[in-house]
Order: sequence, then C-alpha cells, then structure tokens
Amino acid sequence: DAGVIQSPRHEVTEMGQEVTLRCKPISGHNSLFWYRQTMMRGLELLIYFNNNVPIDDSGMPEDRFSAKMPNASFSTLKIQPSEPRDSAVYFCASSHTDRPPQYFGPGTRLTVL
Amino acid sequence: AQTVTQSQPEMSVQEAETVTLSCTYDTSESDYYLFWYKQPPSRQMILVIRQEAYKQQNATENRFSVNFQKAAKSFSLKISDSQLGDAAMYFCAYRSVQGAQKLVFGQGTRLTINP
Repeated sequence: DAGVIQSPRHEVTEMGQEVTLRCKPISGHNSLFWYRQTMMRGLELLIYFNNNVPIDDSGMPEDRFSAKMPNASFSTLKIQPSEPRDSAVYFCASSHTDRPPQYFGPGTRLTVL
Repeated sequence: AQTVTQSQPEMSVQEAETVTLSCTYDTSESDYYLFWYKQPPSRQMILVIRQEAYKQQNATENRFSVNFQKAAKSFSLKISDSQLGDAAMYFCAYRSVQGAQKLVFGQGTRLTINP
C-alpha cells in the first residue's frame, strides 16, 4: 500500500509569494494532520481534520495560513503571503479516527528567501 | 496541557551494544497512547513502537522495547544490538485517547552509532 504522499518535496520561494503544499493520505484513513518542524519549536500540530472536517486549527500561526480538505484523498496547506520565518519542514500524517498511530509523509522542506 | 520531555539531546553507542533513550511526560489523563518515532537523515518520520497506557505489559518490536512506568510517567526506549541504520533522531510522543488526537512530541534525542 502507498503511504502518505506529499508534494512538492522541496519548495524554494521568495517572500510574499503564495505557497501551496499538498497531501494525499493513506487510503481508508479518515483523519489527516498537518505538522510543522523547526529547530526552535520542534514538531507542532498546525491543524487536523476528521472526515474532511477541520477539528482543531489552534496551531495555525496566523491568517496567512489556511488548510482545506475537499475530499477524503486530498488536502492542501496554503501560505499567503509567505515570510522567511515560515521556512520549515511541513509534514502531513494520517490515521484512522480514534485508532492510532499516525503515519507520516516524507515532508516538504520549505525555504522562503 | 500535556508535555513530553526528552532530557538527552544526544546519545551515542557502540555498534552491537544496547542503549536506552529517556522520555518523561506530564498528564492528568489516565488513558493515553505513547509512541517512539525515528527520524533518519532522510527526515521521514518512522513509527518505531507504541504503548497503550492501560496495558501493563511493555511493548516490544524486535530489537526495540520500552520500559513504561505509568506512576512515574516515564517511557524509555531500549535498542538492543545497535546497528548503523539505527542512527537517527528519536522522538517520544503522547496522544490522548479521549479528546484531542494530536501528537505531542518531545524535543528529540540524536542517536549516533559508533562502528
């Protein structure tokens, strides 16, 4: 079975540009999570969805960040406008609701210049 | 809110030896899950082992085992017969059974294997 798929793997962009990160969860999983990893803050949850519905977005840093899950097999995390402090590795993970563990994608390394 | 603490930023071990990574956590919940994830240089987060708090028996996965001390809120990972491929960052993580599904991670321990 395919694992969690993320694209792109690497993204380099200029400050002020829009960035869209994509995720395809494991088939059959109905919970999807977006995490961010930085040296300063470690791994932290940004938002998660159950059955395509956002449940907890308290980790989203500010209005520049938005996430959508239009269907069970696709989610996006958008940053607009991007800033250098957004540079990080962004992970998508999926699981069955109420049944851990979470399985992670390979991550997207974002660099904002 | 729950917190997870890994007090060892770095550890090293000789190949074929045994090493133990420490993790403590703070929670007022009685039922929860605990995990160890491995992050090699490829940055992929790989599940190593899981433990349900209601189970008294310590989880084991091949060369990996845990020492779960619920009263002490301690969850250490033991790696036996260390191999070069075990070199990675190791993260301890907590998840509630009820309520929030998010993983709360520790700061990580970088494990080096000396040949």
